Amino acid sequence: NAGVMQNPRHLVRRRGQEARLRCSPMKGHSHVYWYRQLPEEGLKFMVYLQKENIIDESGMPKERFSAEFPKEGPSILRIQQVVRGDSAAYFCASGSGLAGLKRDDVDEQYFGPGTRLTVT
Amino acid sequence: GESVGLHLPTLSVQEGDNSIINCAYSNSASDYFIWYKQESGKGPQFIIDIRSNMDKRQGQRVTVLLNKTVKHLSLQIAATQPGDSAVYFCAENSGGSNYKLTFGKGTLLTVNP
Repeated sequence: NAGVMQNPRHLVRRRGQEARLRCSPMKGHSHVYWYRQLPEEGLKFMVYLQKENIIDESGMPKERFSAEFPKEGPSILRIQQVVRGDSAAYFCASGSGLAGLKRDDVDEQYFGPGTRLTVT
Repeated sequence: GESVGLHLPTLSVQEGDNSIINCAYSNSASDYFIWYKQESGKGPQFIIDIRSNMDKRQGQRVTVLLNKTVKHLSLQIAATQPGDSAVYFCAENSGGSNYKLTFGKGTLLTVNP
């Protein structure tokens, strides 16, 4: 049973290019969370998605960033016209969305290995 | 702004010693806390959690202590091993949602053989 998969693991983009980060949740999970981690910082919540639905994008920058989780295929975090400040590690986590059955209403999140984006 | 932070950014211990990693939080509404371990080049891995109606919870070689009076959380690792070397994060859920986690900045634990 494969865990959460992310690709690519490392991505280098020049300023102004587009970055696409992919996340495949664990088998049986239909919820995906994206986080960003700057060097020597904790993870910051970006967006929470279900299949074909954005639940909460309160942590997403208003411009250049978008996320989707189509009915088929992985979730994609898209960053347009990247700038150096976008350099970070981007992690996705998946969950069953069945909060309340295991840990008192908080959905357990399983993290992928991350994609390290470097903007040159 | 940041509501969860750590007292010590780095901690170095000898193999076999006990480790204590501390975390302070500022949101008194937080009712669920998690400790994660992040090894170099990997994603965070769940270690142990605790709800606010508890003061202490034990796992295998790990214990989490919660002091709500001073809004302080600690992770104790018994008989620390080289494989415990990693960055440790505390995270909180404030109860406003059942999914949104706020992470602290992390403590780097180095175990010397």
